[in-house]
Amino acid sequence: DAKTTQPNSMESNEEEPVHLPCNHSTISGTDYIHWYRQLPSQGPEYVIHGLTSNVNNRMASLAIAEDRKSSTLILHRATLRDAAVYYCILRDVDNAGNMLTFGGGTRLMVKP
Amino acid sequence: NAGVTQTPKFRVLKTGQSMTLLCAQDMNHEYMYWYRQDPGMGLRLIHYSVGEGTTAKGEVPDGYNVSRLKKQNFLLGLESAAPSQTSVYFCASSILAGTYEQYFGPGTRLTVT
Repeated sequence: DAKTTQPNSMESNEEEPVHLPCNHSTISGTDYIHWYRQLPSQGPEYVIHGLTSNVNNRMASLAIAEDRKSSTLILHRATLRDAAVYYCILRDVDNAGNMLTFGGGTRLMVKP
Repeated sequence: NAGVTQTPKFRVLKTGQSMTLLCAQDMNHEYMYWYRQDPGMGLRLIHYSVGEGTTAKGEVPDGYNVSRLKKQNFLLGLESAAPSQTSVYFCASSILAGTYEQYFGPGTRLTVT
């Protein structure tokens, strides 16, 4: 799987939007962009994924650059509960084992 | 619907002891995974299974064995525990291959002294 690069940490104020960036300059045409997050002392949980178009769900929005070399996870109104490590992961559609390869992620801190 | 459960939640072993971690899922998922997470790091895949009776090696399989005798259960065994295996272990499952999301359990914190 291609590699992703994320900032180690970010800070946000509660109830403000948060934009978490991810660079993936070596992405291939069959790579999906997935985001998972891990709350303290819990297992990771799925947030969102996309291929080319921007995606929205109840948790977040995913904005994908036109050249697909970068993407941004958008939390529209951060809450204290959103403090977590956010992982940006590329997954090939032909990934036979459906495996996830985790990097270091971005630790998001939310200030009240 | 409990999702993915793991047993036990915590365990302390002495070097050389053996133990088995149990993962159970009630979502009828085909695929199951075992990951480990060391402090300050992302998860690394140990072993995985693409269906009942199958297992395959992941990124860091040495020192571990697995079995998938029933579709809903995936067991991770440590035959002779070492301090380097001190970690938090997460089990996950997914319905199929491709890009389906994985569902994770709450983790087992293992300390080997």
